[in-house]
Amino acid sequence: KAGVTQTPRYLIKTRGQQVTLSCSPISGHRSVSWYQQTPGQGLQFLFEYFSETQRNKGNFPGRFSGRQFSNSRSEMNVSTLELGDSALYLCASSGGASSGETQYFGPGTRLLVL
Amino acid sequence: EDQVTQSPEALRLQEGESSSLNCSYTVSGLRGLFWYRQDPGKGPEFLFTLYSAGEEKEKERLKATLTKKESFLHITAPKPEDSATYLCAVQAASGGSYIPTFGRGTSLIVHP
Repeated sequence: KAGVTQTPRYLIKTRGQQVTLSCSPISGHRSVSWYQQTPGQGLQFLFEYFSETQRNKGNFPGRFSGRQFSNSRSEMNVSTLELGDSALYLCASSGGASSGETQYFGPGTRLLVL
Repeated sequence: EDQVTQSPEALRLQEGESSSLNCSYTVSGLRGLFWYRQDPGKGPEFLFTLYSAGEEKEKERLKATLTKKESFLHITAPKPEDSATYLCAVQAASGGSYIPTFGRGTSLIVHP
């Protein structure tokens, strides 16, 4: 069974630009969560999508947004990039039928903002 | 507010030297506690899920245990390939919110 895939794996952007990251969950999984990981803050929850609806949201500004498609694939968008947005962005999928299911992570997208 | 504290922050072991990593948590009703392994530049790799105090799970050289206040990840006779950051996360049963809280991790280095 294929794991969670994320594209692109690496990205370099400049301040003020916007970026879109993509995540394909494990086949059959309906929940997709996004995390930001930095050395200073560790893993921080961004949001979770289930059946094309945002089910939970972390404490990030509105510049961070996401969506989920009918095939459970998800995208995350960051507008007006800031230097502090440089991080590893991780996507995790789970069955999603009920809360508490184990999340499986993708390899991440490394974003560098210059 | 849910809190997860992992100790030590970093641990250096000689190959074959067994040890334990600690994950202390405060949560309003535990729904699940998760252990992950993360290699540099990669996504966390799932290891174990524990649901109730007294539960134990094993996988190769790793054994995870759970009490009402903490979890331990025991590493028996570690090898250099066990070097990684080990992350612990908890999920609360109350509030209907599914947002796991992660600890900062323990960085393990095993020397040959």
